[in-house]
Amino acid sequence: DAGVIQSPRHEVTEMGQEVTLRCKPISGHNSLFWYRQTMMRGLELLIYFNNNVPIDDSGMPEDRFSAKMPNASFSTLKIQPSEPRDSAVYFCASRLAGGVETQYFGPGTRLLVL
Amino acid sequence: AQTVTQSQPEMSVQEAETVTLSCTYDTSESDYYLFWYKQPPSRQMILVIRQEAYKQQNATENRFSVNFQKAAKSFSLKISDSQLGDAAMYFCAFTNAGKSTFGDGTTLTVKP
Repeated sequence: DAGVIQSPRHEVTEMGQEVTLRCKPISGHNSLFWYRQTMMRGLELLIYFNNNVPIDDSGMPEDRFSAKMPNASFSTLKIQPSEPRDSAVYFCASRLAGGVETQYFGPGTRLLVL
Repeated sequence: AQTVTQSQPEMSVQEAETVTLSCTYDTSESDYYLFWYKQPPSRQMILVIRQEAYKQQNATENRFSVNFQKAAKSFSLKISDSQLGDAAMYFCAFTNAGKSTFGDGTTLTVKP
């Protein structure tokens, strides 16, 4: 079975540009999570969805960040405009809600904003 | 809010020896799950082991086992017969009602 798929794996952009990160959860999973990992702040939960509905976005840093899940197979995390402090590794994870609560992570997107 | 504390930023172990990584957490919940994830240099987060809080028996996965002390809110990971491939950062995670809180991680070095 395919795991969580994220694209792109690496992204280098300039400050002010729009960045879109993509995630395809494991088939059949109904919860999806976006995390950000930095040296300073560790692994932070940005937002999570249950059945395509955003449940908790309290971790989204500011209005420049937005996330959507138009269907069960796809989610995006968008940063507009991007800033150097957004440089981090962004992980997507999925889970089968009602199960053992195990989250399975994608390989991450390493974002560098110059 | 839940907090997870990993008090050992770095640990080292000799190949084939045993090492224990510490994790404590703070919660008022009674029903939750605990996890250890491994993050090698590739940055991939890999599930190592999980423990349901309602189970008294400690989880075991091959060379990996946990010591779960619910009253003490402690959840340590023991790695037996350490291998070079075990070198990574290890994260402890607390999960309740769908949300997870992660510790800051412990970097494990394995010496040949």
